[in-house]
Amino acid sequence: ETGVTQSPTHLIKTRGQQVTLRCSSQSGHNTVSWYQQALGQGPQFIFQYYREEENGRGNFPPRFSGLQFPNYSSELNVNALELDDSALYLCASSLGTGSGNIQYFGAGTRLSVL
Amino acid sequence: AQKITQTQPGMFVQEKEAVTLDCTYDTSDQSYGLFWYKQPSSGEMIFLIYQGSYDEQNATEGRYSLNFQKARKSANLVISASQLGDSAMYFCAMPPQAGTALIFGKGTTLSVSS
Repeated sequence: ETGVTQSPTHLIKTRGQQVTLRCSSQSGHNTVSWYQQALGQGPQFIFQYYREEENGRGNFPPRFSGLQFPNYSSELNVNALELDDSALYLCASSLGTGSGNIQYFGAGTRLSVL
Repeated sequence: AQKITQTQPGMFVQEKEAVTLDCTYDTSDQSYGLFWYKQPSSGEMIFLIYQGSYDEQNATEGRYSLNFQKARKSANLVISASQLGDSAMYFCAMPPQAGTALIFGKGTTLSVSS
């Protein structure tokens, strides 16, 4: 167990709706990264938060947004859902942002958009 | 830009055999890190092993070891004495640049049979 928890575990939404996914980081970790993993593919980086500030963003449109709270937990919000947003969303926490910092992942949220 | 290549979509081994999962990477950075993760069918990404580019010795963690060949830009994962529980997807990953999150290869599915 990594100590990183995500909720909910599964979610079904319809196209055009909005969704919020939540992540509690491992105790003491100040950095949270979000990834999208389509079926049969490797995870794709969405964005990263370090001490409540966005610290990098992948190639995702602005309708993917997030925030990090003072306790370092984080939310991922997706507006105007599209069918292609159906994926496993993974959250990872780490102590800092250096290239040697190990990211520990949660079990993910499986989002289905109908 | 950094790139991770995993050329083996699937590997099949029997219990107690050793197996090597290939990973090549492309980077212009001198200092970087390489990670391997395991993803069972449950979805959680499990950290296995880390190699820093300036580490003098190949990393080892229990049954996992890294065959790191810097000049060839390869970081192959070696699993000794395979177990049925090793059946999973395996991903090689590295940070795109210092201070941001990970980029992943497409992964290799390992199937261990008795």
